[in-house]
Amino acid sequence: EVQLVESGGGLVQPGRSLRLSCAASGFTFDYYAMHWVRQAPGKGLEWVSGISSNSDRLGYADSVKGRFTVSRDSAKNSLYLQMNSLRAEDTALYYCVKERGGTYPDAFDIWGQGTMVTVSS
Amino acid sequence: QSALTQPPSASGSPGQSVTISCTGTSSDVGGYKFVSWYQQHPGKAPKLMIYEVTKRPSGVPDRFSGSKSGNTASLTVSGLQAEDEADYYCTSYAGTNNVVFGGGTKLTVL
Repeated sequence: EVQLVESGGGLVQPGRSLRLSCAASGFTFDYYAMHWVRQAPGKGLEWVSGISSNSDRLGYADSVKGRFTVSRDSAKNSLYLQMNSLRAEDTALYYCVKERGGTYPDAFDIWGQGTMVTVSS
Repeated sequence: QSALTQPPSASGSPGQSVTISCTGTSSDVGGYKFVSWYQQHPGKAPKLMIYEVTKRPSGVPDRFSGSKSGNTASLTVSGLQAEDEADYYCTSYAGTNNVVFGGGTKLTVL
C-alpha cells in the first residue's frame, strides 16, 4: 500500500524552527518528485515547496522562500521540510504529497494525512 | 505567484451538471498542460480528480471532466450526486519549479 506519514508538527513560538518529516512506503521513492502543501484552519490549500526525484529542482512559494528548506533522503525513503523563522501565518496542517509521474511538474496523486504546525507565543 | 481565481461557491441539483472555473494567466494555466483538480471532503486529505487538463486517474467516475481555453481551466461534474458535495481546488504549474493553487470552490448539491 502506498503511504505517506508525516511527523514533526507541534506548537512552536514565533521566530523558532521546526523540522517536518515524511516517511514514504509502498512505492519507489527515488522515482518521484515530492511536495509539501499546507492548509491553514478553515482556509484553502497552498503549495509550499517541491523537490524533484534527484533533488536537482527545488521550488518554494514566495511566502516561505528564504525561511524553509526542502530535502529528501533516498536511503531513508523520507522527505523533509526545515522551517526557520516561523510566523503566526505559517500555522497550518502540512501535507506531504507524491507526484503522479516521474517528472516535475506533475499532478499530486498521493497525500498524507498531514501534521499540524501551530505558531503561537 | 498569485493564486488562481475560482468562484467561492457553486451548486446544482442531483442529476444536473455544474462547471467550476479556474482563471490564471499565460504564465500558469495558459502556458502549461499541467492543470489538475482536487476534491476535498471535510476533514479529509484532497483527492486527485483530473490531471493534465483533461485526464482522469483510474477510479474517478467519468462524470468528472476537465477542459481549458486560454488562461481558464474548467471542471465539469455531470449527473451530480450527493457525494460530490465537497471543496474543489485547481492547480497549475507556474514555471521555475513553482506550483499555484486556486482559492477553492465549495460545491453544494441542493
